Amino acid sequence: AQTVTQSQPEMSVQEAETVTLSCTYDTSESDYYLFWYKQPPSRQMILVIRQEAYKQQNATENRFSVNFQKAAKSFSLKISDSQLGDAAMYFCAYRSFNNAGNMLTFGGGTRLMVKP
Amino acid sequence: NAGVTQTPKFQVLKTGQSMTLQCAQDMNHNSMYWYRQDPGMGLRLIYYSASEGTTDKGEVPNGYNVSRLNKREFSLRLESAAPSQTSVYFCASSEIGAAYNEQFFGPGTRLTVL
Repeated sequence: AQTVTQSQPEMSVQEAETVTLSCTYDTSESDYYLFWYKQPPSRQMILVIRQEAYKQQNATENRFSVNFQKAAKSFSLKISDSQLGDAAMYFCAYRSFNNAGNMLTFGGGTRLMVKP
Repeated sequence: NAGVTQTPKFQVLKTGQSMTLQCAQDMNHNSMYWYRQDPGMGLRLIYYSASEGTTDKGEVPNGYNVSRLNKREFSLRLESAAPSQTSVYFCASSEIGAAYNEQFFGPGTRLTVL
């Protein structure tokens, strides 16, 4: 079974600065998907960014980008120009490519605080 | 489109009571899921339904039952609630075969069992 680990329970960043959230995973599969979800105080789960393991190019969505290191099984999220609205819980998630049920395995989350 | 809706938003039960959490999606997705989120933890899969008419256990199915009523609706039932089932419950849906098979989540139900 796959496991996802987020080693930073809490992080803080100054507004307008850059922060990187860490995620590592354990799998014996070669093809899979990785995701970062944001959960603000409203509890709504919002997809931030996603990456296919077979793509070497790191995904980017506006101020959000990832550093995907397949050999190291690492998938970190970089948030540039941090904004107050970025304050939330962030979850890393894994999905097997050949997963008929499309099930996600989540990490334990990192709480990001943004200081004005 | 409302996306994924869940009812109720909040619920307090006494130990031993039963209840059903309702979930509906209007995106015509084939697959639906129930997760629970405990404090300081990520979401853990309780049950899922890959397609209408099928259901399968996830990581933490004990104490729960599910029903895939039709393509739109997927309910989660607690037959005899226990304090250990105090949690936030999320329903999600996705379309198999779509790009990334992204899961869309409902707003969650906060359940307290006394």
